[in-house]
Amino acid sequence: GESVGLHLPTLSVQEGDNSIINCAYSNSASDYFIWYKQESGKGPQFIIDIRSNMDKRQGQRVTVLLNKTVKHLSLQIAATQPGDSAVYFCAESLQAGNMLTFGGGTRLMVKP
Amino acid sequence: DAMVIQNPRYQVTQFGKPVTLSCSQTLNHNVMYWYQQKSSQAPKLLFHYYDKDFNNEADTPDNFQSRRPNTSFCFLDIRSPGLGDAAMYLCATSRPGRGRATLFGQGTRLTVV
Repeated sequence: GESVGLHLPTLSVQEGDNSIINCAYSNSASDYFIWYKQESGKGPQFIIDIRSNMDKRQGQRVTVLLNKTVKHLSLQIAATQPGDSAVYFCAESLQAGNMLTFGGGTRLMVKP
Repeated sequence: DAMVIQNPRYQVTQFGKPVTLSCSQTLNHNVMYWYQQKSSQAPKLLFHYYDKDFNNEADTPDNFQSRRPNTSFCFLDIRSPGLGDAAMYLCATSRPGRGRATLFGQGTRLTVV
């Protein structure tokens, strides 16, 4: 899959602050969106997903927002912790479990 | 509980010497994927199996092959590794239509010397 676009390759935040990572996707037919966290030397780890019939979904300290009008996806992390430091990838697909198209990734750095 | 298991985690191979990476899954997912990931880049899909059907990406070099002997196992064969093949290789699995996310293994870091 080719990349969807990410505009902020590196995001640096203070510990305890909220983080927002953004992603633009290209396929208006995509029905399923997912965020992965990838720590150094490890595989991508599922964080949260959302279907196109929703515009917001919350998990533990994380929220995903979907704006289908402008084809934009964001991941919000509340009270960012040092353990949140990683690269975050968004991905889209036609439905859950189908082939993914990845975004380019954003590196989140948390300053103590 | 590791559900997508890749072995080995680190592999060093000589230039031109065939190497095989393995992946197993305990999820009974019918789709298995192999991705190549280079530093600071998104994973790049090489190919995938939908059940027994092999699907190669158009730009995947012939140097890369795959085998899936059964539902649980999938192998990535690199016939003649070059220096440019040094990367993280990720295996992933999914089951379309069940509403669940694609899950990744921890990857194999391949070094070519």
